[in-house]
Amino acid sequence: SQKIEQNSEALNIQEGKTATLTCNYTNYSPAYLQWYRQDPGRGPVFLLLIRENEKEKRKERLKVTFDTTLKQSLFHITASQPADSATYLCALDKDGNNRKLIWGLGTSLAVNP
Amino acid sequence: KAGVTQTPRYLIKTRGQQVTLSCSPISGHRSVSWYQQTPGQGLQFLFEYFSETQRNKGNFPGRFSGRQFSNSRSEMNVSTLELGDSALYLCASSWGQYNTQDTQYFGPGTRLTVL
Repeated sequence: SQKIEQNSEALNIQEGKTATLTCNYTNYSPAYLQWYRQDPGRGPVFLLLIRENEKEKRKERLKVTFDTTLKQSLFHITASQPADSATYLCALDKDGNNRKLIWGLGTSLAVNP
Repeated sequence: KAGVTQTPRYLIKTRGQQVTLSCSPISGHRSVSWYQQTPGQGLQFLFEYFSETQRNKGNFPGRFSGRQFSNSRSEMNVSTLELGDSALYLCASSWGQYNTQDTQYFGPGTRLTVL
Protein backbone atom coordinates (compact mmCIF):
# COMPACT_ATOMS: atom_id res chain seq x y z
CA SER A 1 0.00 0.00 0.00
CA GLN A 2 1.01 3.60 -0.39
CA LYS A 3 3.27 4.92 2.33
CA ILE A 4 4.30 8.49 3.07
CA GLU A 5 7.16 9.48 5.31
CA GLN A 6 7.85 12.89 6.74
CA ASN A 7 10.65 13.93 9.11
CA SER A 8 9.47 12.51 12.40
CA GLU A 9 11.77 14.70 14.45
CA ALA A 10 10.80 18.27 15.11
CA LEU A 11 12.65 20.88 13.14
CA ASN A 12 14.01 23.87 15.06
CA ILE A 13 15.38 26.81 13.12
CA GLN A 14 16.29 30.43 13.73
CA GLU A 15 14.04 33.22 12.56
CA GLY A 16 15.00 34.44 9.11
CA LYS A 17 16.44 31.12 7.97
CA THR A 18 14.92 28.79 5.40
CA ALA A 19 13.02 25.77 6.71
CA THR A 20 13.04 22.67 4.53
CA LEU A 21 10.64 19.82 5.16
CA THR A 22 10.69 16.48 3.37
CA CYS A 23 7.93 14.18 2.17
CA ASN A 24 8.90 10.80 0.72
CA TYR A 25 6.46 8.31 -0.72
CA THR A 26 6.62 4.73 -1.95
CA ASN A 27 4.80 2.62 -4.50
CA TYR A 28 2.71 4.36 -7.11
CA SER A 29 3.18 7.93 -8.17
CA PRO A 30 0.48 10.37 -7.14
CA ALA A 31 -1.20 12.69 -9.56
CA TYR A 32 -0.90 15.52 -7.07
CA LEU A 33 0.81 16.26 -3.82
CA GLN A 34 -0.51 18.76 -1.31
CA TRP A 35 0.91 20.52 1.72
CA TYR A 36 -1.10 21.61 4.71
CA ARG A 37 -0.41 23.44 7.93
CA GLN A 38 -1.94 22.36 11.23
CA ASP A 39 -1.85 24.37 14.42
CA PRO A 40 -2.59 22.85 17.84
CA GLY A 41 -6.32 22.46 18.41
CA ARG A 42 -7.16 23.21 14.79
CA GLY A 43 -7.76 21.33 11.59
CA PRO A 44 -5.31 21.34 8.68
CA VAL A 45 -5.22 24.37 6.38
CA PHE A 46 -4.41 23.91 2.70
CA LEU A 47 -1.22 25.67 1.55
CA LEU A 48 -0.02 24.46 -1.82
CA LEU A 49 -0.66 21.80 -4.43
CA ILE A 50 1.82 20.54 -7.01
CA ARG A 51 1.08 18.31 -9.98
CA GLU A 52 3.19 15.36 -11.05
CA ASN A 53 4.32 17.20 -14.19
CA GLU A 54 5.41 20.29 -12.23
CA LYS A 55 8.88 20.56 -10.79
CA GLU A 56 8.29 23.55 -8.56
CA LYS A 57 5.49 25.73 -7.22
CA ARG A 58 5.74 28.99 -5.30
CA LYS A 59 3.39 31.04 -3.18
CA GLU A 60 4.81 34.06 -1.37
CA ARG A 61 7.50 32.69 1.00
CA LEU A 62 6.55 29.07 0.31
CA LYS A 63 8.10 26.82 -2.31
CA VAL A 64 7.31 23.19 -3.08
CA THR A 65 9.30 20.87 -5.31
CA PHE A 66 8.21 17.49 -6.64
CA ASP A 67 10.71 14.90 -7.85
CA THR A 68 8.85 11.87 -9.19
CA THR A 69 12.12 10.03 -9.82
CA LEU A 70 13.19 10.32 -6.19
CA LYS A 71 9.54 10.04 -5.07
CA GLN A 72 10.06 13.07 -2.92
CA SER A 73 8.62 16.50 -2.30
CA LEU A 74 10.43 19.29 -0.49
CA PHE A 75 8.60 22.14 1.21
CA HIS A 76 10.55 25.33 1.84
CA ILE A 77 9.65 28.36 3.94
CA THR A 78 12.02 31.22 3.28
CA ALA A 79 12.65 34.07 5.71
CA SER A 80 10.91 32.03 8.40
CA GLN A 81 9.04 33.74 11.22
CA PRO A 82 7.92 32.50 14.66
CA ALA A 83 4.35 32.59 13.30
CA ASP A 84 5.35 29.80 10.89
CA SER A 85 5.70 27.43 13.85
CA ALA A 86 3.21 24.60 13.29
CA THR A 87 2.97 21.03 12.06
CA TYR A 88 3.17 20.64 8.30
CA LEU A 89 1.45 17.72 6.60
CA CYS A 90 1.87 16.37 3.10
CA ALA A 91 -0.91 14.45 1.39
CA LEU A 92 -0.99 12.42 -1.81
CA ASP A 93 -3.85 12.53 -4.25
CA LYS A 94 -3.65 9.45 -6.44
CA ASP A 95 -6.68 10.10 -8.59
CA GLY A 96 -6.72 13.87 -8.88
CA ASN A 97 -10.19 14.26 -7.46
CA ASN A 98 -9.01 15.61 -4.10
CA ARG A 99 -10.76 12.83 -2.23
CA LYS A 100 -9.39 9.91 -0.21
CA LEU A 101 -6.06 11.64 0.27
CA ILE A 102 -3.21 9.67 1.82
CA TRP A 103 -1.57 11.71 4.56
CA GLY A 104 1.85 11.82 6.16
CA LEU A 105 2.17 12.11 9.93
CA GLY A 106 3.52 15.62 9.70
CA THR A 107 6.65 17.44 10.75
CA SER A 108 6.63 19.89 13.62
CA LEU A 109 8.44 23.14 12.87
CA ALA A 110 9.53 25.59 15.55
CA VAL A 111 10.95 28.94 14.48
CA ASN A 112 12.87 30.57 17.28
CA PRO A 113 13.06 34.38 17.53
CA LYS B 1 -18.07 33.80 6.16
CA ALA B 2 -18.22 31.45 9.12
CA GLY B 3 -15.89 28.47 9.03
CA VAL B 4 -16.59 24.81 9.60
CA THR B 5 -17.89 24.15 13.08
CA GLN B 6 -17.84 20.89 14.98
CA THR B 7 -19.58 19.94 18.18
CA PRO B 8 -18.78 18.91 20.74
CA ARG B 9 -15.10 19.85 20.90
CA TYR B 10 -14.28 17.29 23.56
CA LEU B 11 -15.95 14.04 24.50
CA ILE B 12 -15.16 11.28 26.98
CA LYS B 13 -16.90 7.94 26.62
CA THR B 14 -16.40 4.42 27.89
CA ARG B 15 -15.94 1.24 25.88
CA GLY B 16 -19.11 -0.14 24.41
CA GLN B 17 -20.93 3.18 24.29
CA GLN B 18 -21.84 4.98 21.13
CA VAL B 19 -21.19 8.58 20.14
CA THR B 20 -22.53 11.09 17.64
CA LEU B 21 -20.44 13.96 16.36
CA SER B 22 -21.79 16.92 14.43
CA CYS B 23 -20.36 19.08 11.67
CA SER B 24 -21.75 22.26 10.14
CA PRO B 25 -20.07 23.10 6.83
CA ILE B 26 -19.33 26.49 5.37
CA SER B 27 -22.49 28.02 3.95
CA GLY B 28 -23.03 26.85 0.37
CA HIS B 29 -20.71 23.87 0.63
CA ARG B 30 -22.40 20.58 -0.24
CA SER B 31 -19.61 18.12 0.49
CA VAL B 32 -18.62 17.03 3.97
CA SER B 33 -15.77 14.59 4.57
CA TRP B 34 -14.82 12.99 7.87
CA TYR B 35 -11.31 12.05 8.96
CA GLN B 36 -9.80 10.33 11.98
CA GLN B 37 -6.45 11.67 13.18
CA THR B 38 -4.20 9.75 15.57
CA PRO B 39 -0.50 10.22 16.37
CA GLY B 40 0.39 6.82 14.98
CA GLN B 41 -1.74 6.71 11.83
CA GLY B 42 -2.12 10.38 10.98
CA LEU B 43 -5.22 11.48 9.12
CA GLN B 44 -7.31 8.69 7.69
CA PHE B 45 -10.32 9.24 5.47
CA LEU B 46 -13.58 7.89 6.86
CA PHE B 47 -16.22 8.93 4.34
CA GLU B 48 -17.61 11.77 2.29
CA TYR B 49 -21.18 12.92 1.93
CA PHE B 50 -22.50 15.01 -0.93
CA SER B 51 -26.12 16.06 -1.30
CA GLU B 52 -27.19 13.69 1.48
CA THR B 53 -25.53 10.66 -0.16
CA GLN B 54 -22.36 8.87 0.81
CA ARG B 55 -20.08 9.37 -2.16
CA ASN B 56 -16.77 7.93 -0.94
CA LYS B 57 -15.81 5.59 1.83
CA GLY B 58 -12.53 4.74 3.51
CA ASN B 59 -11.46 1.49 5.10
CA PHE B 60 -13.18 1.66 8.45
CA PRO B 61 -15.50 -0.93 10.01
CA GLY B 62 -19.24 -0.61 9.87
CA ARG B 63 -19.29 0.74 13.42
CA PHE B 64 -18.46 4.06 11.82
CA SER B 65 -21.37 5.59 9.98
CA GLY B 66 -22.59 8.98 8.97
CA ARG B 67 -25.34 10.93 7.39
CA GLN B 68 -25.95 14.30 5.86
CA PHE B 69 -29.02 16.44 6.12
CA SER B 70 -30.68 18.61 3.50
CA ASN B 71 -28.93 21.71 4.89
CA SER B 72 -25.56 19.91 4.35
CA ARG B 73 -24.93 19.52 8.05
CA SER B 74 -23.47 16.11 8.79
CA GLU B 75 -23.28 13.74 11.70
CA MET B 76 -20.92 10.88 12.31
CA ASN B 77 -21.77 8.00 14.60
CA VAL B 78 -19.48 5.43 16.16
CA SER B 79 -21.14 2.48 17.86
CA THR B 80 -19.66 0.02 20.34
CA LEU B 81 -16.68 2.23 21.10
CA GLU B 82 -13.24 0.68 21.46
CA LEU B 83 -10.16 2.11 23.13
CA GLY B 84 -8.55 2.46 19.70
CA ASP B 85 -11.28 4.86 18.63
CA SER B 86 -9.71 7.57 20.78
CA ALA B 87 -8.70 10.20 18.27
CA LEU B 88 -9.31 13.65 16.87
CA TYR B 89 -12.22 13.50 14.44
CA LEU B 90 -12.09 16.17 11.78
CA CYS B 91 -14.65 17.16 9.25
CA ALA B 92 -13.92 19.12 6.11
CA SER B 93 -16.32 20.89 3.80
CA SER B 94 -16.02 21.89 0.17
CA TRP B 95 -18.20 22.78 -2.81
CA GLY B 96 -18.05 19.14 -3.83
CA GLN B 97 -16.41 19.33 -7.25
CA TYR B 98 -14.19 16.40 -8.13
CA ASN B 99 -11.05 18.39 -8.90
CA THR B 100 -8.03 19.74 -7.15
CA GLN B 101 -9.38 23.28 -7.13
CA ASP B 102 -12.07 22.20 -4.69
CA THR B 103 -10.20 23.09 -1.51
CA GLN B 104 -11.33 21.32 1.63
CA TYR B 105 -11.78 23.50 4.70
CA PHE B 106 -11.34 21.68 7.98
CA GLY B 107 -13.11 22.25 11.25
CA PRO B 108 -11.28 22.31 14.60
CA GLY B 109 -12.17 18.68 15.31
CA THR B 110 -13.78 16.73 18.13
CA ARG B 111 -11.35 15.13 20.55
CA LEU B 112 -12.83 11.77 21.54
CA THR B 113 -11.37 9.85 24.46
CA VAL B 114 -12.56 6.30 25.10
CA LEU B 115 -11.87 4.94 28.57
